[in-house]
Amino acid sequence: EIVLTQSPATLSLSPGERATLSCRASQSVSSYLAWYQQKPGQAPRLLIYDASNRATGIPARFSGSGSGTDFTLTISSLEPEDFAVYYCQQRSNWPSTFGPGTKVDIK
Amino acid sequence: EVQLVESGGGLVQPGGSLRLSCAASGFTVSSNYMSWVRQAPGKGLEWVSVIYSGGSTYYADSVKGRFTISRDNSKNTLYLQMNSLRAEDTAVYYCARESGSFYAFDIWGQGTMVTVSS
Repeated sequence: EIVLTQSPATLSLSPGERATLSCRASQSVSSYLAWYQQKPGQAPRLLIYDASNRATGIPARFSGSGSGTDFTLTISSLEPEDFAVYYCQQRSNWPSTFGPGTKVDIK
Repeated sequence: EVQLVESGGGLVQPGGSLRLSCAASGFTVSSNYMSWVRQAPGKGLEWVSVIYSGGSTYYADSVKGRFTISRDNSKNTLYLQMNSLRAEDTAVYYCARESGSFYAFDIWGQGTMVTVSS
């Protein structure tokens, strides 16, 4: 099973600041890495697929990069609605696994 | 509108059974890879099971032999039969569609809560 590690666990930032979230895989997942946003009481929402492609309707301030074992989600300028938990997920093989999440909260 | 609506959650005693349903609209369940993902209270996401468009199924080790994923093409509905339930199965269960164009879950249901407790 591929283990995903996310850092930091919590990121405290102010609106307008840049957020950089990291996801590391225990073995290569090629580019089969997705990022999701989840707000309290809501289902996850797909942000990024195949490491760097924005999903439909996702604002351009969200970007993803990386391949192999190291990946980054960047939010260029935080909007009030971006404060949430972010998960990475690998679909390189089954079982698909998720990282433990990074909570982005308001400083 | 493309959407998934889960139902069937509730309170069940340890060792009991429950069947979750996930009704799809706006697309055909049998044409997509469909998964169940769960989230224990205050915890992260855990993939549970997948059914391929061709019918193959895969399970997380934590549920293998106890849970069964299936679908009814005539009802355009996905199911998760859960037997021998344990306290650690307590979670919100989401059904999710894997995009036909890339490997990620692009459509999620709102979730249904399963509580295993005596």
